[in-house]
Amino acid sequence: EAQVTQNPRYLITVTGKKLTVTCSQNMNHEYMSWYRQDPGLGLRQIYYSMNVEVTDKGDVPEGYKVSRKEKRNFPLILESPSPNQTSLYFCASSLFASSISGELFFGEGSRLTVL
Amino acid sequence: AQSVTQLGSHVSVSEGALVLLRCNYSSSVPPYLFWYVQYPNQGLQLLLKYTTGATLVKGINGFEAEFKKSETSFHLTKPSAHMSDAAEYFCAVSAANFGNEKLTFGTGTRLTIIP
Repeated sequence: EAQVTQNPRYLITVTGKKLTVTCSQNMNHEYMSWYRQDPGLGLRQIYYSMNVEVTDKGDVPEGYKVSRKEKRNFPLILESPSPNQTSLYFCASSLFASSISGELFFGEGSRLTVL
Repeated sequence: AQSVTQLGSHVSVSEGALVLLRCNYSSSVPPYLFWYVQYPNQGLQLLLKYTTGATLVKGINGFEAEFKKSETSFHLTKPSAHMSDAAEYFCAVSAANFGNEKLTFGTGTRLTIIP
């Protein structure tokens, strides 16, 4: 089954404790992206990757890191989480790194709480 | 630069009534426009998209949207609401250029169906 898989789905952590949210897709997609969803703000892009070893900042990259060593994986790293990073996070992928394909495939989300 | 405005963060309609969710966009280049739906505790999935060609586009579950360039709008409609349509709906815009699949999302409209 074609899917984007995120882990963990739920996480409660404390300020400053490094964490990684994993994302994996099995569709051989070139493009992957991370979004955060906050009430009243919709989805905002954190980082994106157009292919292996190619990553770039989105609209709200502060406090996050990413890597793309393999095509299927795109982990999101919070080196020193803070309470303002409490949010619902979505990983998404798309076949090509262009606007033509248009369809992003989303994971089910990771709800992160930072105390 | 691109932006999306969704009018009404909450919309309630009776079962069987017309659904109308409003979306206006701003884009400096020809836009690609999308509607995504998010059911509770799930990721987003594509309802429909406009890229080029016919301005009235049909999507899944009986939804359709019309691209009106003169009004910079892309409103989502469904003739007869069903209980299963209760969800949050996001309008999104992407620049019609190669190179970045980035979507800019609106803040979402939560649709409630009244029995």
